[in-house]
Amino acid sequence: AQTVTQSQPEMSVQEAETVTLSCTYDTSESNYYLFWYKQPPSRQMILVIRQEAYKQQNATENRFSVNFQKAAKSFSLKISDSQLGDTAMYFCAFCNSGAGSYQLTFGKGTKLSVIP
Amino acid sequence: NAGVMQNPRHLVRRRGQEARLRCSPMKGHSHVYWYRQLPEEGLKFMVYLQKENIIDESGMPKERFSAEFPKEGPSILRIQQVVRGDSAAYFCASSPEYIKSDEQYFGPGTRLTVT
Repeated sequence: AQTVTQSQPEMSVQEAETVTLSCTYDTSESNYYLFWYKQPPSRQMILVIRQEAYKQQNATENRFSVNFQKAAKSFSLKISDSQLGDTAMYFCAFCNSGAGSYQLTFGKGTKLSVIP
Repeated sequence: NAGVMQNPRHLVRRRGQEARLRCSPMKGHSHVYWYRQLPEEGLKFMVYLQKENIIDESGMPKERFSAEFPKEGPSILRIQQVVRGDSAAYFCASSPEYIKSDEQYFGPGTRLTVT
């Protein structure tokens, strides 16, 4: 079974600064996907960024980028130029692409507060 | 193109009643996943369905919970004889028809409160 660990229950960052959220996972699979989801107070789950394990290049989406270290099973999210709208819960998630079911396994989340 | 729709958004039930949660996937999507989010927790997988088939129900509690995705109409998550511990947010997600898709699009969730 896969597990996803987010070791930072809460973090805060000043507006316009950079923050990094940590995520580690445990799996014996070689083919999988990793995701970061954002859940603002509205509770809507919003996909922030995804990474395919077979790709060595780190994914980037505007101000969001990841540091994917496959050997270390680490998948951190960096948010640059933080904005007030980035305040939310952030969940790291794992998907085993080799299985017949593409269920997502989520970490417990990191609550990020962006301070004006 | 409308997103994933869930209704109701909020549902209050007394202990022992039944709860029915509905999920309409995005147009063209025939795969539906249900997840449960307990307070202060991440989402946990419950069940994966395709039209008229349950593909993976490894996350479903053994009793009182059932799910279906009929040929016509929304997917339904049914909880019989609800208890206080069922209070949670229930999310569904849908993915496209083609195989090997890992992209799941989430609905806004249904918040179930059991009194």
